[in-house]
Amino acid sequence: GAVVSQHPSRVICKSGTSVKIECRSLDFQATTMFWYRQFPKQSLMLMATSNEGSKATYEQGVEKDKFLINHASLTLSTLTVTSAHPEDSSFYICSARDPPTDTQYFGPGTRLTVL
Amino acid sequence: KQEVTQIPAALSVPEGENLVLNCSFTDSAIYNLQWFRQDPGKGLTSLLLIQSSQREQTSGRLNASLDKSSGRSTLYIAASQPGDSATYLCAGGGLPGTSGSRLTFGEGTQLTVNP
Repeated sequence: GAVVSQHPSRVICKSGTSVKIECRSLDFQATTMFWYRQFPKQSLMLMATSNEGSKATYEQGVEKDKFLINHASLTLSTLTVTSAHPEDSSFYICSARDPPTDTQYFGPGTRLTVL
Repeated sequence: KQEVTQIPAALSVPEGENLVLNCSFTDSAIYNLQWFRQDPGKGLTSLLLIQSSQREQTSGRLNASLDKSSGRSTLYIAASQPGDSATYLCAGGGLPGTSGSRLTFGEGTQLTVNP
């Protein structure tokens, strides 16, 4: 199947700093990518839908100025957590939709810990 | 708004047993339904994708069914193995290109297969 990568896989940062997470579709072009957040023992919560060349669509309750999303190319979307705080600590997972099959392929996730 | 429910939340079985995981959804206008596997601390692995026009999909020891009229999907695992131990998530997808195109996830079923 198609491969989606995320970088970094794990990041620890101090409160107040910004962290950028990259999501790449390695062998297909994805006009749409999705960013999810997952708390321990819970399911995935969709944060935003990222469309190449246009502004991301954020889910209700997700601060767009806090979680900046950029989808500059058909294979790369980035999520920047600005001025991170301990409550932002979570597992962030991206997915990319493969248009021909409409299947979403998920990245391995990024574990963010804010001290 | 689509809501997805999975039962049971946790399941423990002896090795070799056949088992069924259940998923129910509220909006029958579902475009597709996917089953995923998630190992602890990892991303999601897509197992099976069923389009709304299909009734079931099979891959190896896995068989997933979809009944739109009753709002249910099941994942059947034959001859379970300890390596099948993971959390299984189902997700309903809406029509691509529409506001409802995102995947809505259930809470997952944590499966443990004991040797």
